[in-house]
Amino acid sequence: QKEVEQNSGPLSVPEGAIASLNCTYSDRGSQSFFWYRQYSGKSPELIMFIYSNGDKEDGRFTAQLNKASQYVSLLIRDSQPSDSATYLCAVRSGGSYIPTFGRGTSLIVHP
Amino acid sequence: DADVTQTPRNRITKTGKRIMLECSQTKGHDRMYWYRQDPGLGLRLIYYSFDVKDINKGEISDGYSVSRQAQAKFSLSLESAIPNQTALYFCATSDSGTGGYTFGSGTRLTVV
Repeated sequence: QKEVEQNSGPLSVPEGAIASLNCTYSDRGSQSFFWYRQYSGKSPELIMFIYSNGDKEDGRFTAQLNKASQYVSLLIRDSQPSDSATYLCAVRSGGSYIPTFGRGTSLIVHP
Repeated sequence: DADVTQTPRNRITKTGKRIMLECSQTKGHDRMYWYRQDPGLGLRLIYYSFDVKDINKGEISDGYSVSRQAQAKFSLSLESAIPNQTALYFCATSDSGTGGYTFGSGTRLTVV
């Protein structure tokens, strides 16, 4: 059974701080890692994805993979109140086309 | 126009009724999916399709059926709705490259 675990939160950070969201996964054969942002009452939106071969930075967002400890992180620099949302992690194994989703971490950025 | 369109956006139906949720996409993706989302349970896969002639059950397919009418259209049916099918339903598409999903806006279904 492939598992993807996220702390449900909420994670509360002040505006301008770095928000660090983590996601652990059980399958060592995982090769693709996705982060989705979901505002309350809205659909998930893909914001970052990385492969098992490296980290990625896109604007204020950085996704980092720690294969040895089997977790992937999403760092949000200069957090804004508009970043307040639930962040879903999804992990896909090399032998599967279907990702396993975590249940999400709620992030609150307060002014 | 949205890349992935779901109809209806909201629906209230009675127990035992048949209901169809529709999804159409302009992304040109072959792969389409139906998920439901419940508070505390996250996203759960109902059915998925990798092309028009391919239909696969997900982890919670009981009580649901699907139809892939065309590359761009994928419908979900509840043959006889029951209250525990009350949930937020999402259609999604993906390409064969990155595999990242594009979600529709969702259908909020209430079965009374």
